[in-house]
Amino acid sequence: KAGVTQTPRYLIKTRGQQVTLSCSPISGHRSVSWYQQTPGQGLQFLFEYFSETQRNKGNFPGRFSGRQFSNSRSEMNVSTLELGDSALYLCASSGPGLAGVHEQYFGPGTRLTVT
Amino acid sequence: AQSVTQLGSHVSVSEGALVLLRCNYSSSVPPYLFWYVQYPNQGLQLLLKYTSAATLVKGINGFEAEFKKSETSFHLTKPSAHMSDAAEYFCAVSDRREAAGNKLTFGGGTRVLVKP
Repeated sequence: KAGVTQTPRYLIKTRGQQVTLSCSPISGHRSVSWYQQTPGQGLQFLFEYFSETQRNKGNFPGRFSGRQFSNSRSEMNVSTLELGDSALYLCASSGPGLAGVHEQYFGPGTRLTVT
Repeated sequence: AQSVTQLGSHVSVSEGALVLLRCNYSSSVPPYLFWYVQYPNQGLQLLLKYTSAATLVKGINGFEAEFKKSETSFHLTKPSAHMSDAAEYFCAVSDRREAAGNKLTFGGGTRVLVKP
């Protein structure tokens, strides 16, 4: 089974621009979660989509948004980029697991640099 | 609200020595608990998980962790460190209630250095 894929792997943007990141989950997985990883704040949950609906949301400003398509692929968008948005953005997919525990499988991440 | 504390942001061990990474959690209900490993320029890989079955959980690459409810701890151990264990390790919790979805709350991470 192919793993979680994320595109692009690296991205450089300028302050004020917007960016769209893409995530393709493991085949059969309907849940996709996004996380931001920075040296200062660590790993922080952005949001989760399940069957095209946002099921959970972290404490991020409205500039961060996402969506999920009928094939479970997901995109996240960051508008009006700030320097502090520079981070590794990780996508994770999840499907039904043992005893209802939904293990999450992570992609390699998209490294976003805002200049 | 859930939280995770990993004691020690950096740990240095000699090859062949015991690896012990500490994780304490705070949760209003018994959570699911996970350990992930991250190698440079890669995503996170699941090492093991606790779901409320056996309190001693065995994972991949020789790692294991013990859930201790009374201490709200889930420490990760490996009897003998290998050079390939050099990486960053994250402890995480998730709310077992279905309505909470799959949100993971992570600890700050512990970077492991293995000395030859």
